[in-house]
Amino acid sequence: AQKVTQAQTEISVVEKEDVTLDCVYETRDTTYYLFWYKQPPSGELVFLIRRNSFDEQNEISGRYSWNFQKSTSSFNFTITASQVVDSAVYFCALSEAGRGNLIFGKGTKLSVKP
Amino acid sequence: DVKVTQSSRYLVKRTGEKVFLECVQDMDHENMFWYRQDPGLGLRLIYFSYDVKMKEKGDIPEGYSVSREKKERFSLILESASTNQTSMYLCASRSHLDQPQHFGDGTRLSIL
Repeated sequence: AQKVTQAQTEISVVEKEDVTLDCVYETRDTTYYLFWYKQPPSGELVFLIRRNSFDEQNEISGRYSWNFQKSTSSFNFTITASQVVDSAVYFCALSEAGRGNLIFGKGTKLSVKP
Repeated sequence: DVKVTQSSRYLVKRTGEKVFLECVQDMDHENMFWYRQDPGLGLRLIYFSYDVKMKEKGDIPEGYSVSREKKERFSLILESASTNQTSMYLCASRSHLDQPQHFGDGTRLSIL
């Protein structure tokens, strides 16, 4: 069965701290896609990144970086020098084979305090 | 930029009413989706559509139906609203299987 686990329900940090959000997935597929989304308090889900199963290169975008490791079935997200505007719920998702539906983790609520 | 527009941000209806939630996308996307989001349960897929007039059940279709008469519009219908359908409803669209889904702002629906 396909599954995404975000073990951290809530994380609270002080501004400028680095923070890593964990994501572990389960799938029997050899081809799959992983995603991260951000949901700020206003409610909309904002797409952050997509990774396919054949590309294990880590990615950096400004203060955001992602570490994809197939050996541990993990796709972790790190925010460097966190800011108050990073406060949101972050979702990791796995694209189901065939139909390509997204299977979401339960989300991690990040609070960044000034 | 992809724009997915949901007709209402907040909606209050009464039990037994027939409720329509509308979603429109402007990028000629083939695929459209309806999710509901509840605390502790995350996002769950209600229905999705691969093309006009095509629909498939997601994980929790009971009590809902959908309509896709035009490519840009995907409607979610609560046939007879019940209080357990109070939730945040999110619509999404996507161009192809390997592309990200883009979401609307969500509709917070309360059934009294």
